[in-house]
Amino acid sequence: DIQMTQSPSSLSASVGERVTISCRASRGVNDYLNWYQQKPGKVPSLLIYSASTLRGGVPSRFSGSGYGTDFTLTISSLQPEDSATYYCQQSYGATTWTFGPGTKVEIK
Amino acid sequence: EVQLVESGGGLVQPGGSLRLSCAGSGFTLSNYWMSWVRQAPGKGLEWVANIKQDGSEKYYVDSVMGRFTISRDNAKNSLDLQMNSLRAEDTAIYYCARILYRGGIFLDYWGQGTLVTVSS
Repeated sequence: DIQMTQSPSSLSASVGERVTISCRASRGVNDYLNWYQQKPGKVPSLLIYSASTLRGGVPSRFSGSGYGTDFTLTISSLQPEDSATYYCQQSYGATTWTFGPGTKVEIK
Repeated sequence: EVQLVESGGGLVQPGGSLRLSCAGSGFTLSNYWMSWVRQAPGKGLEWVANIKQDGSEKYYVDSVMGRFTISRDNAKNSLDLQMNSLRAEDTAIYYCARILYRGGIFLDYWGQGTLVTVSS
């Protein structure tokens, strides 16, 4: 099975700061890598799919990059409403999937 | 508008069974792979199972293999998860989600979730 790791597990940043979250797969997943945002008490929602494609309606300050085993989610200018936990998820092969452990983003 | 509504959660004793259902509306469920994802209290997301449009392919996380069964009734636009031999570690909010193939493969719509508590 493919294992996913994320770093950091949590971070605190100021409004307007650039934030970067890393996600690593234990073996290559090509670009079958998705990012989800979960705000406290809410249902997860899709942010980015195929490593770098922004879902419609998601603010352009969010971006994703990477291929194979190493991926990055970037928030170019952190906003108060971005306080949430972010999960990466691999969907390689569409058979057995795994989520990363999550990165909690807090606003200073 | 695409909507997914789960039901069937509740309190069950260890070793017991529970059947979750997910009703889809605003789309034709038979056209999509579907998924169950769970989240233990205060923990992260865990993928549980996927099922193909016609039910001919099913995949599970190792921890539920042989105990959980994913199924679907396309005529009723519904998805089920039969959970047997439940353990305390199965306690979680269970979400059903739609799988979309569009360049990638991802979960584009999620239900609100239903809470399953396994406790004596």
